[in-house]
Amino acid sequence: QKEVEQNSGPLSVPEGAIASLNCTYSDRGSQSFFWYRQYSGKSPELIMFIYSNGDKEDGRFTAQLNKASQYVSLLIRDSQPSDSATYLCAVTPTSGTYKYIFGTGTRLKVLA
Amino acid sequence: GAGVSQSPSNKVTEKGKDVELRCDPISGHTALYWYRQSLGQGLEFLIYFQGNSAPDKSGLPSDRFSAERTGGSVSTLTIQRTQQEDSAVYLCASSFDGSNYGYTFGSGTRLTVV
Repeated sequence: QKEVEQNSGPLSVPEGAIASLNCTYSDRGSQSFFWYRQYSGKSPELIMFIYSNGDKEDGRFTAQLNKASQYVSLLIRDSQPSDSATYLCAVTPTSGTYKYIFGTGTRLKVLA
Repeated sequence: GAGVSQSPSNKVTEKGKDVELRCDPISGHTALYWYRQSLGQGLEFLIYFQGNSAPDKSGLPSDRFSAERTGGSVSTLTIQRTQQEDSAVYLCASSFDGSNYGYTFGSGTRLTVV
């Protein structure tokens, strides 16, 4: 089992719809969770982080965390073609909070 | 600087040669990280520097890989006797103090070993 798992996609959604990106992790002691966006040929860019169970909203983005289920998700409301990118989930392991474990990412395509 | 700066942006080298990759973190950031991203793979942690503490080298894949950070700022990742499997994008990131607010990546160095 991979430490951080994401569906590779592509996930295709129409413009204006809600995109839902999911991530599961295996280390039950993980404390911090991050979502990065990576455009093709570019480096990852931090979108959000979340530490506590529940929802955290920032503009069109909402991160959801459920530690009991070891599940974190990212919702993108009113999806735009410019949101088309690969979204990487990252988790800090129990062994070192500075060392992120990344998933392989979900490719999102927002169709105009 | 305004962002994390990496050089070169692209490097093509022959198998068996040594290469040096450079990273200049954001001014004031004490923590610096090197990751590697291979095609279709997730980001792989290589090494972490925090201030004057001993670096965490646990992610370096072999003794051909080494890194140093001079004066708590610029870092150099050196790969000796490069192999084709070393081909990847090498990403450097920095953060204020190794805290959990996420870190900022540089634009990366794409290394191709032929």
